[in-house]
Amino acid sequence: GAGVSQSPRYKVAKRGQDVALRCDPISGHVSLFWYQQALGQGPEFLTYFQNEAQLDKSGLPSDRFFAERPEGSVSTLKIQRTQQEDSAVYLCASSLGDRFMNTEAFFGQGTRLTVV
Amino acid sequence: SQQGEEDPQALSIQEGENATMNCSYKTSINNLQWYRQNSGRGLVHLILIRSNEREKHSGRLRVTLDTSKKSSSLLITASRAADTASYFCATGPFTTSGTYKYIFGTGTRLKVLA
Repeated sequence: GAGVSQSPRYKVAKRGQDVALRCDPISGHVSLFWYQQALGQGPEFLTYFQNEAQLDKSGLPSDRFFAERPEGSVSTLKIQRTQQEDSAVYLCASSLGDRFMNTEAFFGQGTRLTVV
Repeated sequence: SQQGEEDPQALSIQEGENATMNCSYKTSINNLQWYRQNSGRGLVHLILIRSNEREKHSGRLRVTLDTSKKSSSLLITASRAADTASYFCATGPFTTSGTYKYIFGTGTRLKVLA
């Protein structure tokens, strides 16, 4: 597609439920990022992939958060045993270059997760 | 943690006026990007300025970068109601130890009154 696509756009989960959020990056983009954005705040970095390799997961808030990009394109962010504090917008971005290149990062529309 | 801070936090202007937003950051960067976010939507990329550039234009947007002061400004000329949104700067990329990430500021909420 022309841009970064995320699904679902909205997700309501009961506390304790597992969720999976999908990101389709721009075709051919090497780098993929996940960010978490709380209401009224700027996006906070979660994790970074270069192709299929997860090179940085330092921003994942707990071991309930897990991300993968097995074939170097589509990525999934999974949250196990969701808690109310996980409620946020989850943004995915992709960038053409690897970490040594100065290329723009393009974001998807995000998935708004509400844990009730 | 967020290393960028936008200033002001909120700005309200009349249609046709210019809007200026500033971004300050703490550590050295390779580039700085500005994004727009409409309420409930994703981030739209506006412009990227590299650390060796001082000014860049795109349509009604003008971005400046002063690496000695660790600051950038975004100027929107002849604003329109459709420019109402939150504007974020993102600094980086930080590439130590294999990582590659941009760090966002807290944003400026711009409201353009018709």
